[in-house]
Amino acid sequence: TQLLEQSPQFLSIQEGENLTVYCNSSSVFSSLQWYRQEPGEGPVLLVTVVTGGEVKKLKRLTFQFGDARKDSSLHITAAQTGDTGLYLCAGGSNFGNEKLTFGTGTRLTIIP
Amino acid sequence: SAVISQKPSRDICQRGTSLTIQCQVDSQVTMMFWYRQQPGQSLTLIATANQGSEATYESGFVIDKFPISRPNLTFSTLTVSNMSPEDSSIYLCSVRRSGRGGNEQFFGPGTRLTVL
Repeated sequence: TQLLEQSPQFLSIQEGENLTVYCNSSSVFSSLQWYRQEPGEGPVLLVTVVTGGEVKKLKRLTFQFGDARKDSSLHITAAQTGDTGLYLCAGGSNFGNEKLTFGTGTRLTIIP
Repeated sequence: SAVISQKPSRDICQRGTSLTIQCQVDSQVTMMFWYRQQPGQSLTLIATANQGSEATYESGFVIDKFPISRPNLTFSTLTVSNMSPEDSSIYLCSVRRSGRGGNEQFFGPGTRLTVL
């Protein structure tokens, strides 16, 4: 069974600070997706990374896929209250019908 | 991306009853999925809804408890049968599409179910 462990499980920081969320596995994934979920809503896809070592930036968010495609990180610069939510990583196949494996989740709270 | 709607958005049900959740997608998709998310938890896949054939269930989930229909490529239903308080959860419909980066998966807004 493929497992994706996220750390930390909970994170509460002041607005303006930086943070990093980690997603680790012993399995290799051909793609990795990051989602943010706000209360009362479904997860919203933020990014998909597919190449080992790939780095993608989305405004203040930086996503990195590990060289071995077993791990990923999400770095947020100058956090804002709107970043509050549940962050989920999910590993899967780039093509075909392989199911996504979801991470354990990181609940982020940004304090004004 | 994909526009996915679910009905109802939330419901409160009595023990022993059944609830059917509907999922509508704005365009045809091959793969549709149903997930469960218990409070504060990550997502657990219930089943893959196959168009024109029986759904494929994950370990721990059975058709008698969670019957699924998929009459066409834009619509699916999930029924939670003979409910108990342990079924209280968020139920999410999801679809997979091929994008520039390969397969990408999108989620509906979820149905929040409370069983008394």
